[in-house]
Amino acid sequence: DGGITQSPKYLFRKEGQNVTLSCEQNLNHDAMYWYRQDPGQGLRLIYYSQIVNDFQKGDIAEGYSVSREKKESFPLTVTSAQKNPTAFYLCASSPSTGQGASEQYFGPGTRLTVT
Amino acid sequence: LAKTTQPISMDSYEGQEVNITCSHNNIATNDYITWYQQFPSQGPRFIIQGYKTKVTNEVASLFIPADRKSSTLSLPRVSLSDTAVYYCLVGPSNFNKFYFGSGTKLNVKP
Repeated sequence: DGGITQSPKYLFRKEGQNVTLSCEQNLNHDAMYWYRQDPGQGLRLIYYSQIVNDFQKGDIAEGYSVSREKKESFPLTVTSAQKNPTAFYLCASSPSTGQGASEQYFGPGTRLTVT
Repeated sequence: LAKTTQPISMDSYEGQEVNITCSHNNIATNDYITWYQQFPSQGPRFIIQGYKTKVTNEVASLFIPADRKSSTLSLPRVSLSDTAVYYCLVGPSNFNKFYFGSGTKLNVKP
């Protein structure tokens, strides 16, 4: 079964702690993305990666970090520098270029609550 | 990227056809129109993509007039399970850094 997995589904942390969200895909896609969604809002792009060992900042990268050491994995770390980390985090993947690049496949999301 | 404008929300009843229109006055020659559907607490799902005229798949139809400055997503005979947020995005078909706006929240009533 091909797809994207994110874990955990719900995550609770204390303020001041870093937390890493997992994202794995077995679709053989080159590109992967992280989005943040707040209640009633659209998705905002945090980071994206077009290829292994390369990634770019999205619109709201401050307070977040990523790595792309393997094609299948794109973990997101929410650092203590992120002022308002409580949100729904979505990971996606797509072919990097060519026809089909615009069809992104999304994971089930991780709901992070920081208190 | 071409900016898109779509209604914030729409109401419909089961069994009706629903048409959601998206405006994209600044669409470029090589831009495609792509629609996604998102259910609560889930990631968006690709529905349909088109360049001009009409595209139909098992889920929806996409109507694009000749000037391509707008497009209409048509959902035939909606059911309660079609209650979701629908996003309209515009960009080249080989482009993957999209802007998801707030979308249109469709509420299907019994």
